[in-house]
Order: sequence, then structure tokens, then C-alpha cells
Amino acid sequence: EIVLTQSPGTLSLSPGERATLSCRASQSVSSSYLAWYQQKPGQAPRLLIYGASSRATGIPDRFSGSGSGTDFTLTISRLEPEDFAVYYCQQCVGSPYTFGQGTKLEIK
Amino acid sequence: QVQLQESGPGLVKPSETLSLTCTVSGGSISSYYWSWIRQPAGKGLEWLGRVYSSGSTSYNPSLKSRVTMSVDTSKNQFSLKLNSVTAADTAVYYCARDSRYPYYYMDVWGKGTTVTVSS
Repeated sequence: EIVLTQSPGTLSLSPGERATLSCRASQSVSSSYLAWYQQKPGQAPRLLIYGASSRATGIPDRFSGSGSGTDFTLTISRLEPEDFAVYYCQQCVGSPYTFGQGTKLEIK
Repeated sequence: QVQLQESGPGLVKPSETLSLTCTVSGGSISSYYWSWIRQPAGKGLEWLGRVYSSGSTSYNPSLKSRVTMSVDTSKNQFSLKLNSVTAADTAVYYCARDSRYPYYYMDVWGKGTTVTVSS
């Protein structure tokens, strides 16, 4: 099983600042199999990024993904109030699919 | 656009079987993979398994002996059964469309349904 470790666990920032979230895999993951999701309280996760760097339909361009191998990053260039949420990375290599434990992005 | 809706009992007794259905609307269930994911309150996401429209399945090894997934193309629905449940199975259960080739991700999610295991 591939373990995904996200850091930091909680990130406290202000609107307008840049957020950098990390996802590290216990073994190499092809970029095709790496996705990022946003989850707000009481809602289902929403796909943000697939293929490590491709934005899903309707996702603003302030969201970007990068990385390869075992290290992946989600960057939010200028935080908007609606971006404060929990973010999960996911890998879909074989079985089981696994998610990181999440990074909570909170307003400072 | 495609929408998913989970349905099933919100309360299940310990040792019994949890049964949920996901109804696909706005599109066909055919030629797609469909996954189940759960999330205990205040915790992270756990992938339970997936079913293809042909009926082939892949399960999380941690649950493999207790889980069964199936599909009913005539009703545009797919289902989850989890037997011998305990309090540890209490969670919000989501169904999702599992897109593959060349990229792998879950792009459509249901709103989730809360299942509590309690006597």
C-alpha cells in the first residue's frame, strides 16, 4: 500500500497570501495517478487537480499542482476567503487507492 | 451533468449488513468505474473499492472479506454491501465516478450519506 503523507497538518494564512501544500508518497507514483481534492465542512470532496498538474473543469487558475516521483505540491497563489478548507492528495496506483491525511488551511 | 445520490439506512445494528445504493443521473453508468469512499467524523478519506459497469470489482484489502459491490445497469445504480459491521464502520459514505485512462481521479461525487452503527 502506498502511504501519502501531507504537510503541514494545519496551515494558517491570510487572504491574499500564497499557500504551499505538500504530499509525499512512500514510493514513486506516476503523475497520471495523483490528484488533489478540496473539502469544505459538510460537503463532499471536490476534484481540483488531476495528473498532478492539470486543473479540473471550473477550477480557478490560482490553483496549481506540480511534482513527480514521491513529492507533489499544491499551490494556491493568492488565497480567497472561499479557499479555506481541507485539502487531500490521492494516489490511484493499483489497489488500494489511498488518500493523504489532509491539510487544513485556516484563516490566520 | 452527471449527478450521484447515495441512499440507504442511516442506522445499522452491530454485526448486521450495511447496504447502500448510488443512483447515477444525467448520464450512463456504462463504460465507467464507480467507487465507494467513507469518512469517519473528523477524520480522513478511505477508499473502499470500485466496480466497473460490467460488474468487475476491486476492493480495499483491509475490507476485502466483508465488502461486496455490484452494479445494475438497467437502473443506472451501483451498490455497496458491508457485512459484520461494528462501530468502527460509522462514517459518511460517498459514491464517486472513478475516471481512468490516461488520468486517474474521481471527478463526480455524491453528497454523502451518514451511516451509524449502533444497537
